[in-house]
Amino acid sequence: EVQLVESGGSLVQPGGSLKLSCVASGFTFSNYWMDWVRQTPGKSLEWIGEINTDGSKTNYAPSIKDRFTISRDNAKSTLYLQMSNVKSDDTAIYYCTRTGGDYWGQGVMVTVSS
Amino acid sequence: DIQVTQSPSSLLASLGERVTITCQTSQSISNNLNWYQQKPGQAPMLLIYYATSLQTGMPSRFSGQYSGRSFTLTITSLEPEDIANYFCLQHYSAPRTFGGGTKLELK
Repeated sequence: EVQLVESGGSLVQPGGSLKLSCVASGFTFSNYWMDWVRQTPGKSLEWIGEINTDGSKTNYAPSIKDRFTISRDNAKSTLYLQMSNVKSDDTAIYYCTRTGGDYWGQGVMVTVSS
Repeated sequence: DIQVTQSPSSLLASLGERVTITCQTSQSISNNLNWYQQKPGQAPMLLIYYATSLQTGMPSRFSGQYSGRSFTLTITSLEPEDIANYFCLQHYSAPRTFGGGTKLELK
């Protein structure tokens, strides 16, 4: 059974940093591109970015503007999202997904507030 | 970037009613669109992939069609468990983009 389990969500102050993790199981992680997606409190979904199978290529949504970095460790079947200089607009539930959107994690909440 | 316009944003329907939700893309994406169902407190769940293919385990009352840049999700006969939010996603090119969502409620 495919499982994606995110962790690392928390309350963080504006301007701060946070790193999210997503542990994958039930499939050969190193064979799949992976994405991060977020859902705001108003329920809108926003694609954050993607990473290729070996981690050598990433694409990001223009709105992220170099503040977030996606990486992966195939040996640990783990996807990461490094968030820097966070803003209140970054408050959302963050999901990891396989590129193409067939499987999603349960999501993790990030709240940006002073 | 490819824009995805989803309509309606909310929908009141009766049990047994036929329900249709539409996504229109700003550019041609072939069939690279998925539909998702999301219930409160849960992650989105894949319903339809590549515009017309029903995800394994999803009820056959759900179907997807497309013509050009217009994509539709149809529920042939609304059941109580179908009350949820519905989203579409274009995965033709980066940045991937979502429709704004449809909140389906009981009349």
